[in-house]
Amino acid sequence: KQEVTQIPAALSVPEGENLVLNCSFTDSAIYNLQWFRQDPGKGLTSLLLIQSSQREQTSGRLNASLDKSSGRSTLYIAASQPGDSATYLCAVRDGANNLFFGTGTRLTVIP
Amino acid sequence: EAGVAQSPRYKIIEKRQSVAFWCNPISGHATLYWYQQILGQGPKLLIQFQNNGVVDDSQLPKDRFSAERLKGVDSTLKIQPAKLEDSAVYLCASRPAAGTNTEAFFGQGTRLTVV
Repeated sequence: KQEVTQIPAALSVPEGENLVLNCSFTDSAIYNLQWFRQDPGKGLTSLLLIQSSQREQTSGRLNASLDKSSGRSTLYIAASQPGDSATYLCAVRDGANNLFFGTGTRLTVIP
Repeated sequence: EAGVAQSPRYKIIEKRQSVAFWCNPISGHATLYWYQQILGQGPKLLIQFQNNGVVDDSQLPKDRFSAERLKGVDSTLKIQPAKLEDSAVYLCASRPAAGTNTEAFFGQGTRLTVV
């Protein structure tokens, strides 16, 4: 069964810093990997989708990488802002169309 | 484009009562998911529909949980009877048909508190 782990569980950084969030998964037979943002009391907002054949995706200040063979993905956030404070979740999609989520990294950006 | 709609946003019930949640996916999305997210954890899949058929309900506690998507559009998730440990956020998500390498889109969720 696919297991997804995210490290660290929580992270606090001063505004303006660059940061990296990590995601690892046990079964490399994935269809794609998706990074989400979740604000308190809200649903999930999709940030980036990386296909299994891709190595990275970029959107604005966000860059996600994927190393499928080693079961790892990173989300890089450049020049962090207080508005980036949220929980970040990664999810892998398997061939059965199911999404398996990590437990998330709670990010706090301090003004 | 309208997003995934869920209702109610919040629900408080006593244990052993029944509750139902409703989800309206993005128009044209064939695949619909229900997830349970307990506080401090990632979402856990309960059930996946493809149109009006169940694809995967292996994680659904079928003794108390049921879900349907009769016309392949809206879906309801029911808990009967509820237990304290069912307190969680219930998230609905949809995506275009299976086999397409597309994003899943999530609703705002229904926060259930069982007291």
